[in-house]
Amino acid sequence: NAGVTQTPKFQVLKTGQSMTLQCAQDMNHEYMSWYRQDPGMGLRLIHYSVGAGITDQGEVPNGYNVSRSTTEDFPLRLLSAAPSQTSVYFCASSKGGQGVDGYTFGSGTRLTVV
Amino acid sequence: DAKTTQPTSMDCAEGRAANLPCNHSTISGNEYVYWYRQIHSQGPQYIIHGLKNNETNEMASLIITEDRKSSTLILPHATLRDTAVYYCIVRTNSGYSTLTFGKGTMLLVSP
Repeated sequence: NAGVTQTPKFQVLKTGQSMTLQCAQDMNHEYMSWYRQDPGMGLRLIHYSVGAGITDQGEVPNGYNVSRSTTEDFPLRLLSAAPSQTSVYFCASSKGGQGVDGYTFGSGTRLTVV
Repeated sequence: DAKTTQPTSMDCAEGRAANLPCNHSTISGNEYVYWYRQIHSQGPQYIIHGLKNNETNEMASLIITEDRKSSTLILPHATLRDTAVYYCIVRTNSGYSTLTFGKGTMLLVSP
């Protein structure tokens, strides 16, 4: 039972480079979301999706794009990386958008932009 | 979603009960109390949630005061592996509300 799988675990980018953080879940969850975690700031919501083909912005969406073509996958794209995007990124999913029974989080991607 | 207040840090001896408080004095009638934790370098982990009644599962117990303005997460027999940051979150379960994490309580379990 894989749960939520994030790849890569670590990544170093140069300013201006683009990349995609992958997130996949095998629990048939409708709701998926991306958070970033910076020291002393808790988790902040970037984007979320309530089902295939539907996405919406969270608290800090600038500089990030998402798409949801399948129930299982929810990739996060950085089009032109900036040092301010250095952070730890977590993907989470839940059976319903309400997250009544809690969200399942991935193990995170640690991104450094130099 | 209602705002929560938690102590910055707490200590607990291994094998003893850890009682983590959370104040949510502005909670609304349709808002639930959720607890998550985050062990160092790992993703957050759901622990338990409740609305009015006390709740218990294999991980912890949640005690909510009668006026619902505060709650306590209880780890009955803390182990070293329970050392983590614990987040108390208050949110509704209608629509697609987001999950807002504050700064939480750093629980250090010592031998």
